[in-house]
Amino acid sequence: GQQLNQSPQSMFIQEGEDVSMNCTSSSIFNTWLWYKQDPGEGPVLLIALYKAGELTSNGRLTAQFGITRKDSFLNISASIPSDVGIYFCAGQRGTYKYIFGTGTRLKVLA
Amino acid sequence: GAGVSQSPSNKVTEKGKDVELRCDPISGHTALYWYRQRLGQGLEFLIYFQGNSAPDKSGLPSDRFSAERTGESVSTLTIQRTQQEDSAVYLCASSLTVNTGELFFGEGSRLTVL
Repeated sequence: GQQLNQSPQSMFIQEGEDVSMNCTSSSIFNTWLWYKQDPGEGPVLLIALYKAGELTSNGRLTAQFGITRKDSFLNISASIPSDVGIYFCAGQRGTYKYIFGTGTRLKVLA
Repeated sequence: GAGVSQSPSNKVTEKGKDVELRCDPISGHTALYWYRQRLGQGLEFLIYFQGNSAPDKSGLPSDRFSAERTGESVSTLTIQRTQQEDSAVYLCASSLTVNTGELFFGEGSRLTVL
């Protein structure tokens, strides 16, 4: 199925470091969602973005809806060990179609 | 209910058998989605329901896959004559409406076809 380009695919970082990841597409989206998935569990919604240029924070997480509506960024500040997991972006185009990114696997070294 | 509930959480079956996977969405959510996630992969759209109707079945991999929803609530995904390639986690999600923009996922049903 169709998926968004998400990068990086994986990353190892030291505890306390900031993390950045992004999703890009050749198509325009109306909504961007960011999810975190822990092993053996379903994705959990972190942040939802509804407007081009929108910048939204949720604790140490900050996400932005790209001005072109074709990309989105997620930043995690001062990472901690429990940030480990897989982060997915999802773009909504039209009334129901959600396209998911390929995921960024984050590992935090204490 | 408080969240999206899926059952069974794990299912091991023999090749050729039929399986049914169940999803109980968040109460009041009219939109329901099924996704497939193969090991180490992203989420692959299968089908969505608005109420009890399925306007888009384009993601279903083959005619062995079918889904239904009744009472604008519970949905069942059925896989007939399972194949080893069907092994994956099947995730269900719901949203208030198709225009709401926020999907809430269940924990998934892990299917292993031997």
